[in-house]
Amino acid sequence: SQTIHQWPATLVQPVGSPLSLECTVEGTSNPNLYWYRQAAGRGLQLLFYSVGIGQISSEVPQNLSASRPQDRQFILSSKKLLLSDSGFYLCAWARVPDTQYFGPGTRLTVL
Amino acid sequence: AQTVTQSQPEMSVQEAETVTLSCTYDTSENNYYLFWYKQPPSRQMILVIRQEAYKQQNATENRFSVNFQKAAKSFSLKISDSQLGDTAMYFCAFMKRDSNYQLIWGAGTKLIIKP
Repeated sequence: SQTIHQWPATLVQPVGSPLSLECTVEGTSNPNLYWYRQAAGRGLQLLFYSVGIGQISSEVPQNLSASRPQDRQFILSSKKLLLSDSGFYLCAWARVPDTQYFGPGTRLTVL
Repeated sequence: AQTVTQSQPEMSVQEAETVTLSCTYDTSENNYYLFWYKQPPSRQMILVIRQEAYKQQNATENRFSVNFQKAAKSFSLKISDSQLGDTAMYFCAFMKRDSNYQLIWGAGTKLIIKP
């Protein structure tokens, strides 16, 4: 069966510091991968998606970036965090072109 | 552009009752998928049920079923014999077939099951 992991689970970072969130999927190959952000009490905002290694599409212009160095690894990064980057970050995978399955999420607080 | 509307910000029912969450969507597409996801206090997003637009039969998963009305662009979720563990935010989502696999999300309905 397939499993999706995210870490860290919780992160508190100062403004201006770098960020690296990691997502890995087990039990499938060549999945579509997604990064979402969710503000408290709100819906999900798609940040990036990837249909293959090295293929990243950005949905929202901002100071975040994503990379896919391996087939089942998806990384969300920032060089300098802003207060507005605080939120809950969810990674998801899908077998083309169907249902998305989500990881446990990372709660990011920028102070 | 597609939109998804959940008109009930919050609902509460007694344990063992049946509850229906509403969802409407707007699209000019004919081939698409619809989903209900559940987000409990742990905040992990969990798939509840999935419907393919070309299938007229309503999807069911144990106590969860949908009423899919394609012409009316309505996709409601019915939870039967509700349990305390059903307390969560419920999100309705739309995906156009053959798109870049993006989900269009509703704002969510907070469901509280009271003992």
